[in-house]
Amino acid sequence: GDSVTQMEGPVTLSEEAFLTINCTYTATGYPSLFWYVQYPGEGLQLLLKATKADDKGSNKGFEATYRKETTSFHLEKGSVQVSDSAVYFCALSGGGSYIPTFGRGTSLIVHP
Amino acid sequence: EPEVTQTPSHQVTQMGQEVILRCVPISNHLYFYWYRQILGQKVEFLVSFYNNEISEKSEIFDDQFSVERPDGSNFTLKIRSTKLEDSAMYFCASSGGLAGGTDTQYFGPGTRLTVL
Repeated sequence: GDSVTQMEGPVTLSEEAFLTINCTYTATGYPSLFWYVQYPGEGLQLLLKATKADDKGSNKGFEATYRKETTSFHLEKGSVQVSDSAVYFCALSGGGSYIPTFGRGTSLIVHP
Repeated sequence: EPEVTQTPSHQVTQMGQEVILRCVPISNHLYFYWYRQILGQKVEFLVSFYNNEISEKSEIFDDQFSVERPDGSNFTLKIRSTKLEDSAMYFCASSGGLAGGTDTQYFGPGTRLTVL
């Protein structure tokens, strides 16, 4: 079945550092790919998405590119802020189902 | 911006009691979902609902669980006889509005259920 693998956290960075959170997937066909963010005490928010190969999703300075050849959708940000501290979930949906399959989540901690 | 709302934000109950978690999806959405997240673990799909019936459910969604859309705005999840292992954060989501595709789900803030 479909699956999503994310790098284990927590990822701890200083403010203004470069962020990469790795995500790879296994799926049949051409899934849509998502990054969700969960701030402390809040629910999941859609951060960005890409629906076909080579698409780049971007939002709030974050971006991720749908790489079919490497089955990856890594999340990047050039300069993180303390307010970016949250748990980030990679997810996919496809194969005729709109039910997303989530990764385990990666906790990001940004220090001032 | 329209959003999914959930009540209560935190529910504490005794084992064996029934609980009803409530959600108000985004008003023009057609598809509704419940997920749960046990503390520190991944988000797990429970059930999806479309056109007043369950369209998909996971193996977690057994006979203890039921969903209902009692009116035009609310979407509820009932757990008939709670167990300790039902303690989790429960998220409602909706999708399928006029502007968005059915593959983008919008999540509520969650209800934290604690079973004692």
